This record gives sequence, structure tokens and C-alpha cells, in this order.
Amino acid sequence: KQEVTQIPAALSVPEGENLVLNCSFTDSAIYNLQWFRQDPGKGLTSLLLIQSSQREQTSGRLNASLDKSSGRSTLYIAASQPGDSATYLCAVRGNAGNMLTFGGGTRLMVKP
Amino acid sequence: DGGITQSPKYLFRKEGQNVTLSCEQNLNHDAMYWYRQDPGQGLRLIYYSQIVNDFQKGDIAEGYSVSREKKESFPLTVTSAQKNPTAFYLCASSIDGTSGSRTQYFGPGTRLLVL
Repeated sequence: KQEVTQIPAALSVPEGENLVLNCSFTDSAIYNLQWFRQDPGKGLTSLLLIQSSQREQTSGRLNASLDKSSGRSTLYIAASQPGDSATYLCAVRGNAGNMLTFGGGTRLMVKP
Repeated sequence: DGGITQSPKYLFRKEGQNVTLSCEQNLNHDAMYWYRQDPGQGLRLIYYSQIVNDFQKGDIAEGYSVSREKKESFPLTVTSAQKNPTAFYLCASSIDGTSGSRTQYFGPGTRLLVL
């Protein structure tokens, strides 16, 4: 059974820092991996989706990488801003259906 | 405005009571999903439906029931058999349930509390 782990569980940084969030998964037979953002008490917003054949995806200040063979993904946030404060979740989709397995999330706080 | 709506935002349940959470989408998506999120944890799949009049159990279906009579609607009932229902419930939809490249879009969530 697929298990997804995110480290660290919480992170606090000063504004302007570049930071890396980590996601690891136990079964490398994935179809894709997705990073989401969740604001307190709200739903999820998709940030980046990486297909299993891809190595990375970029959107603005965000860059996500995928190393399927080692079961790892990282989300890089450049020049962090207080508005980036949220919980970041990664989720992997296996090769059957469209069901996602989620990690526990990293709660990020960017201090002004 | 296209999107997914969930109601109510907060719901209180008494012991032994069944309660129903609403999820509606006007995105013309075939597939819909229900997740449960506990504090500090990721999402766990309760039920999903790939097409009208069909649904499948997820990882934690015990104590829950669903129906999919209309494409736009996928209500979740939390039954009295669910002994620990306090959680944040999220509904999602995707264009279809089989194509893995299709992202899931999420509603704003319903927080269920037990009195």
C-alpha cells in the first residue's frame, strides 16, 4: 500500500528565504505527483502536477522536482513571502484509476 | 461562476444522529470524491464516483454512505455507525475518473463537530 510522508511537518522562515519542502513515497509505480496548497479551514488548490515521465515542473516562484526511482519529490519556493504561509500537501496517483494518496502536509509560516 | 460548493460550512451532530453533507459541482465533471482530513494530517479517501449511479468505497468507508443520482451532486451521509466523525470533510471532482492526467478540484470543505 502506498504511503506518502512529508518532512518537515512545520516550518517557519523569514521573508525572502528560498526553501525546500520534501515528499517521499514508498511505491515508485506512480502515474503522477501533485502539490497542493491549503489555507486554514479551506479547500485545496492545485499548484503543480508532475507526470511520472517528467523530472520537474515550474510555475512562477515554485519549482517541483520528481525522482521516481528514489521515491522523492521536492517543492522549491524562491524568495518566500508572507502570502506563501499555508499548508502544502503532496499527493501521488497510482497506475489504476484517479485516486490520490496524500502526505500529512508541511505547515509553512513566512514571517515578515 | 464554475466550481464546487459544499454546505454547510459547519455542521453539528448529536450522538446517534445521521447527518448529510452536500457537494454540488457545475463543472460538468464525471468523477467526484469525498475525503476526510483530521488535524495535522493528510486527506483520506472515503468514497468516490466515476459516473452517475455508480460509486466505490475508498480507504475509510465504514460508517459513511453516498449516492450519485445526478452528475452535479454527490452527498455524503455520516451515519451513527461512525464513532469518531469529528473532522474536516472535503469534496472534489475531476473531468473523468480514469485519466490520470486530470487534476482534482476541491470544494471549500465542511467541518463536522459532535455535540
